Amino acid sequence: SQELEQSPQSLIVQEGKNLTINCTSSKTLYGLYWYKQKYGEGLIFLMMLQKGGEEKSHEKITAKLDEKKQQSSLHITASQPSHAGIYLCGAGVGSGSRLTFGEGTQLTVNP
Amino acid sequence: KAGVTQTPRYLIKTRGQQVTLSCSPISGHRSVSWYQQTPGQGLQFLFEYFSETQRNKGNFPGRFSGRQFSNSRSEMNVSTLELGDSALYLCASSPWTLYRGAYEQYFGPGTRLTVT
Repeated sequence: SQELEQSPQSLIVQEGKNLTINCTSSKTLYGLYWYKQKYGEGLIFLMMLQKGGEEKSHEKITAKLDEKKQQSSLHITASQPSHAGIYLCGAGVGSGSRLTFGEGTQLTVNP
Repeated sequence: KAGVTQTPRYLIKTRGQQVTLSCSPISGHRSVSWYQQTPGQGLQFLFEYFSETQRNKGNFPGRFSGRQFSNSRSEMNVSTLELGDSALYLCASSPWTLYRGAYEQYFGPGTRLTVT
């Protein structure tokens, strides 16, 4: 099965700071998904990357996919308290709607 | 468009009982997947249904089962509940069955199951 490793496991930043979360796969990446979760709640879809070199942005969040490195990064610019939560990366496993997820990165943004 | 809905949101059951959880996907989506989330194991795939057929199954015992109806709504059932079944159960919908990340997948708010 595909294993995804996220780093860091937790991150505490001051409001206004930029930050990056990484997601590395031990196998070839086929579709990389980023989600945000508030504790105990459902996952909010952020973005999906399919091709190497692809980069997508939504508001102050940018995600990139590096197929060669089998890695994706999520970058938040000028962080705000509303960005706080758990960020999860997921990747497709073969056929079917089966995603394998990393363990998540807990982000705290202090005002 | 309405998002993925799950009912009930919270449930408390006793060991040995059975439980049925319901999921309504986004309108037009035909694939529904179920995941279990626990602090110790993280997010784990249970199964996927597409066009009323189970397409994929995770590594869970046979006590966990599911089905999908012709309107794409899905239910999952857990029989003979154990304490370890306490978890957040998440349903996700996609327009079509994913293949190598071909489609977006949206999650519902989850059902928090507590087994006492």
